[in-house]
Amino acid sequence: GENVEQHPSTLSVQEGDSAVIKCTYSDSASNYFPWYKQELGKGPQLIIDIRSNVGEKKDQRIAVTLNKTAKHFSLHITETQPEDSAVYFCAASLTGNQFYFGTGTSLTVIP
Amino acid sequence: KAGVTQTPRYLIKTRGQQVTLSCSPISGHRSVSWYQQTPGQGLQFLFEYFSETQRNKGNFPGRFSGRQFSNSRSEMNVSTLELGDSALYLCASSLRGQHYEQYFGPGTRLTVT
Repeated sequence: GENVEQHPSTLSVQEGDSAVIKCTYSDSASNYFPWYKQELGKGPQLIIDIRSNVGEKKDQRIAVTLNKTAKHFSLHITETQPEDSAVYFCAASLTGNQFYFGTGTSLTVIP
Repeated sequence: KAGVTQTPRYLIKTRGQQVTLSCSPISGHRSVSWYQQTPGQGLQFLFEYFSETQRNKGNFPGRFSGRQFSNSRSEMNVSTLELGDSALYLCASSLRGQHYEQYFGPGTRLTVT
């Protein structure tokens, strides 16, 4: 099956700086890559996604890039704010709605 | 529009018992997926239902089962509970069945003692 690796596992940045989280996947057939933000006591919240026919997607301060050749995709958060502090998960999907998740990155934004 | 709801939010069970968890998807969503989240294994896919049919199943033992009703509500059942089944069980719904955005509920925290 698919294997998704995510790093770093923890990340601390100063408020206003950028944060980058990287994921790699193993199955070249995967074609949908969502990113989720999970706050304490809550379920994961979809923040951005990208499909395999697109190389980059941006939504305000959040962007995702995809390199199909290298089989990796990244989440970029610019102008970080304390409310961005949470655990972020990447995922990859081959078929249907069966997602394979990375192990998560705990992001701390220091005011 | 109301989000995905899961009941109960917290549950404590004893080894050997069985448990049923419920998920109500976002109105109009026909796909419901279930995930187990633990600190050691992370988020792992259990199964997915679409229009009352199980379409995909993860690598979990047969003690884990589920079903979906005609109104798209779904239940998952775990029989003969083990200590290792303690986890946050998450339900996610999607409008359609193929690579569409999934929206997660708050989860059910199951503790097995």
